[in-house]
Amino acid sequence: GAVVSQHPSWVICKSGTSVKIECRSLDFQATTMFWYRQFPKQSLMLMATSNEGSKATYEQGVEKDKFLINHASLTLSTLTVTSAHPEDSSFYICSASAGGLPPIYFGEGSWLTVV
Amino acid sequence: QKEVEQDPGPLSVPEGAIVSLNCTYSNSAFQYFMWYRQYSRKGPELLMYTYSSGNKEDGRFTAQVDKSSKYISLFIRDSQPSDSATYLCAARGGNEKLTFGTGTRLTIIP
Repeated sequence: GAVVSQHPSWVICKSGTSVKIECRSLDFQATTMFWYRQFPKQSLMLMATSNEGSKATYEQGVEKDKFLINHASLTLSTLTVTSAHPEDSSFYICSASAGGLPPIYFGEGSWLTVV
Repeated sequence: QKEVEQDPGPLSVPEGAIVSLNCTYSNSAFQYFMWYRQYSRKGPELLMYTYSSGNKEDGRFTAQVDKSSKYISLFIRDSQPSDSATYLCAARGGNEKLTFGTGTRLTIIP
């Protein structure tokens, strides 16, 4: 089946620094990618939707200047957490769609710890 | 009211039992319904998806959608300890945005 790869799986960064997480669709062209955040024992919270070649659409309450999303190609989207703070520590997950129809596949997720 | 409601459990059943996981939804525009399995500290894995009402079977898994009652179900036959995970139901309409339930934590007891 289709595979979505995320990198890195784990990252630790210092407060005030920025960290980038990559999401790649390995065997299909992803016209749309989604970024989620998940807190322990809670469901996924959609942060933003990105379409290749256009600006991401952010959900209400998500700071677009803090969580920079770039979808520069049909196989790659990146999430950059800028000026990270400990409260940004979380599990970040991307998903990708081939365009219009299901299914939608998820990456393995990236654990971010800000110290 | 959440658009997709799911009993968070936890649910514990003995190995070999039939597991029934359920969700309800309120948005009539939802057309596609999905079940994902999420192991601890991993991303969700797509198990099954269905379009509109009906049943879909894949091995030990059966997904059911009843649009008249806005009810989504996943049945797991001959449950195994490896089925222990959190199960997430999700729905979407014409756009690609998924609406998730809260997830049900399932434990299969050997």
